[in-house]
Amino acid sequence: AQKVTQAQTEISVVEKEDVTLDCVYETRDTTYYLFWYKQPPSGELVFLIRRNSFDEQNEISGRYSWNFQKSTSSFNFTITASQVVDSAVYFCALSEKQYNFNKFYFGSGTKLNVKP
Amino acid sequence: DTGVSQDPRHKITKRGQNVTFRCDPISEHNRLYWYRQTLGQGPEFLTYFQNEAQLEKSRLLSDRFSAERPKGSFSTLEIQRTEQGDSAMYLCASSFGPGGQETQYFGPGTRLLVL
Repeated sequence: AQKVTQAQTEISVVEKEDVTLDCVYETRDTTYYLFWYKQPPSGELVFLIRRNSFDEQNEISGRYSWNFQKSTSSFNFTITASQVVDSAVYFCALSEKQYNFNKFYFGSGTKLNVKP
Repeated sequence: DTGVSQDPRHKITKRGQNVTFRCDPISEHNRLYWYRQTLGQGPEFLTYFQNEAQLEKSRLLSDRFSAERPKGSFSTLEIQRTEQGDSAMYLCASSFGPGGQETQYFGPGTRLLVL
């Protein structure tokens, strides 16, 4: 079973629209971390945010905001007033503690197209 | 802090050839990870180093894959007798910390095409 599910394969919006990228995860651990990364066409994964399982407070950073809900095992990402530069593939990831390291599980990504 | 670097960025090879990729982590990062990413998928974990010790390699795809991290600095990933199915992006990431859930920082990747 997928540990991280990003059901939206591709989303297209027009510039200045708000867009929410969904992420649902599955874990039996009580302590875990969730991440969002951005992958532009150049290929490099750019870190956006990390949340731990004990902190359900939503976070806002400029035009980006994240909604973490343990009750529904979701960690959704909203971009307000989208811009063309936001076009990229966005990955949600779950980090679980293995016996000697923390292993990342990535979703399959959501490709965001922002049109001018 | 110059970020994680990988070399080469692109590699085209013929089936059956050996290839080696290099990763230079962020300086002083003690943890290093290799991932493989195929088209339309997220990165898939391959192997992990803490300093020079390879502590997890069960996800290396076959015995044709091997990785090293001599002296706990840069790392190499080698694929022997490449097959067309090895075509993918190979990503390296590094992190620093006592073993908690620290953030992994990724390099630009090496895109491999096996003809």
